[in-house]
Amino acid sequence: DAGVIQSPRHEVTEMGQEVTLRCKPISGHNSLFWYRQTMMRGLELLIYFNNNVPIDDSGMPEDRFSAKMPNASFSTLKIQPSEPRDSAVYFCASSLRSGGWDTEAFFGQGTRLTVV
Amino acid sequence: QQQVKQSPQSLIVQKGGISIINCAYENTAFDYFPWYQQFPGKGPALLIAIRPDVSEKKEGRFTISFNKSAKQFSLHIMDSQPGDSATYFCAARRKVLTGGGNKLTFGTGTQLKVEL
Repeated sequence: DAGVIQSPRHEVTEMGQEVTLRCKPISGHNSLFWYRQTMMRGLELLIYFNNNVPIDDSGMPEDRFSAKMPNASFSTLKIQPSEPRDSAVYFCASSLRSGGWDTEAFFGQGTRLTVV
Repeated sequence: QQQVKQSPQSLIVQKGGISIINCAYENTAFDYFPWYQQFPGKGPALLIAIRPDVSEKKEGRFTISFNKSAKQFSLHIMDSQPGDSATYFCAARRKVLTGGGNKLTFGTGTQLKVEL
């Protein structure tokens, strides 16, 4: 298995532009997580999907952020409009939820977003 | 509110020495405590994990010590090697109250450098 695949690996955009980050989870996994990593705040959970349904989006910072999971093999995180303070590394992770519990979360390599 | 506090922020250890990273938590609902290792440009990867019903878990050179009453846990890396140089994150897991499943709360990370 290729693991969790994220694209793009790097994104540089101007303030005010729309940014879309993409994630393909590991085949067979039914839970998907989006995290944001910064030096100041570390790893923060933004949103958590199970079986393509958002379970917990309490970490989404504001309405400029939205996430979708149209099917089991694809998810997007969109920022519109983007701001310089959104600059961070965004990770997608997936796991298998069985018996009410998620097993080990496997992380993608991340997307480094820079908003100028 | 930071639910998992991690220290130190950075650590330099000589080759062959012991690296110790500490974490403390407040929420007694946490029921699983993993440690993740992250190399530059990569996503975090599960290193070792412990449940609160045991006080210690050892896997090779890596040991977790857990003190439930103090709500603290630590990672010990014995015989530290230059290849161990990475960022280490402690985490704590709890159930998601609505919708099932669980989510991880991460510490802020420790940058470990093992020198020759």
